[in-house]
Amino acid sequence: SQTIHQWPATLVQPVGSPLSLECTVEGTSNPNLYWYRQAAGRGLQLLFYSVGIGQISSEVPQNLSASRPQDRQFILSSKKLLLSDSGFYLCAWRRKHEQFFGPGTRLTVL
Amino acid sequence: AQSVTQLDSQVPVFEEAPVELRCNYSSSVSVYLFWYVQYPNQGLQLLLKYLSGSTLVKGINGFEAEFNKSQTSFHLRKPSVHISDTAEYFCAVSEPPSNDYKLSFGAGTTVTVRA
Repeated sequence: SQTIHQWPATLVQPVGSPLSLECTVEGTSNPNLYWYRQAAGRGLQLLFYSVGIGQISSEVPQNLSASRPQDRQFILSSKKLLLSDSGFYLCAWRRKHEQFFGPGTRLTVL
Repeated sequence: AQSVTQLDSQVPVFEEAPVELRCNYSSSVSVYLFWYVQYPNQGLQLLLKYLSGSTLVKGINGFEAEFNKSQTSFHLRKPSVHISDTAEYFCAVSEPPSNDYKLSFGAGTTVTVRA
């Protein structure tokens, strides 16, 4: 069966520090992968998606970036965090028409 | 472009009472529709989905939803809620296959079930 992992589960970072969040999927190959952000009191916003290794599409201009160095690994990064980057970050993979979500990473920028 | 509006941000309800969560979408093409549930500090879990066919779809945990194309709605219902249904619920729409199955989400509805 397929599983999706995210780490870390929680993270507290100072403004201006770098960020690296990791997402890995097991039990499937060449999945479409997605990064979403959920800000307090708001719905989920699609940040990036990837249809294959090295292929990244950005949905929202911001100071975040994404990379897919391996087939089942999706990384979300920032060189300098802003207060507005705080939120709950969710990774998802797609099978046919359905997306399956990871447990999420709670990021607090102070 | 697709968009989703969830008409209620918070819905308080008593245990064993019915609940309805409203969702409207806008799209110029055929869509897939989804309802997800999120328990505190967890990821999203799919409750149910509409792809085609019967407009009344049944999901997990006793939830059901009805697709209404003329009103561009996909309201979620449960005839009798439990305390464990306390969670946040998200409606989402996808315009396959032209947009790589990307999902657009509503802002969410927080359901609080009281004894």
